[in-house]
Amino acid sequence: NAGVTQTPKFQVLKTGQSMTLQCAQDMNHNSMYWYRQDPGMGLRLIYYSASEGTTDKGEVPNGYNVSRLNKREFSLRLESAAPSQTSVYFCASSEISSGSTDTQYFGPGTRLTVL
Amino acid sequence: RKEVEQDPGPFNVPEGATVAFNCTYSNSASQSFFWYRQDCRKEPKLLMSVYSSGNEDGRFTAQLNRASQYISLLIRDSKLSDSATYLCVVKAKYGNKLVFGAGTILRVKS
Repeated sequence: NAGVTQTPKFQVLKTGQSMTLQCAQDMNHNSMYWYRQDPGMGLRLIYYSASEGTTDKGEVPNGYNVSRLNKREFSLRLESAAPSQTSVYFCASSEISSGSTDTQYFGPGTRLTVL
Repeated sequence: RKEVEQDPGPFNVPEGATVAFNCTYSNSASQSFFWYRQDCRKEPKLLMSVYSSGNEDGRFTAQLNRASQYISLLIRDSKLSDSATYLCVVKAKYGNKLVFGAGTILRVKS
């Protein structure tokens, strides 16, 4: 099992450009999440999808959109990138069920720089 | 005030030392508690869950004090490989959204 995979690993954008970060998991998890991590701050939730077909805003959703394409894939789109979106982006997944430990498994991250 | 607060460190300790980290949380409705470990430029990984009764996993001991709303992590006999950032994480009773602290940096030196 590959676990959670993310593409690309690195990306440099110019202000105003758009891009989509891809995430896939092969653990048959129901829930998926997008976080950003900035220096001196904890991971902050951007959007999450509790199950296929649903998405909800997290703590910092402005400037982002998401798509839960199917149970495996959850993408994050920046429509018009801004320097404030320079960050490391992590995708995660978890199994939500009675008796589960709710452990979230993270992908390796995408390092995004917006110039 | 941040919902989860940690001392950022760094904690610089020699091999073999015992080191403890504390974390405080502000939401009294928080139901589940965890310590995650994050190596430099890598993704976070679950280290251990924290239970009210306290729990131990080898050299690692986690404690929860609900009355004072703090969580602790004790590492005994520190190894060089323990060098990492330790993230305190809490989850509310409903839903599966996690709230992360900014992390405590540990550096174990020979």
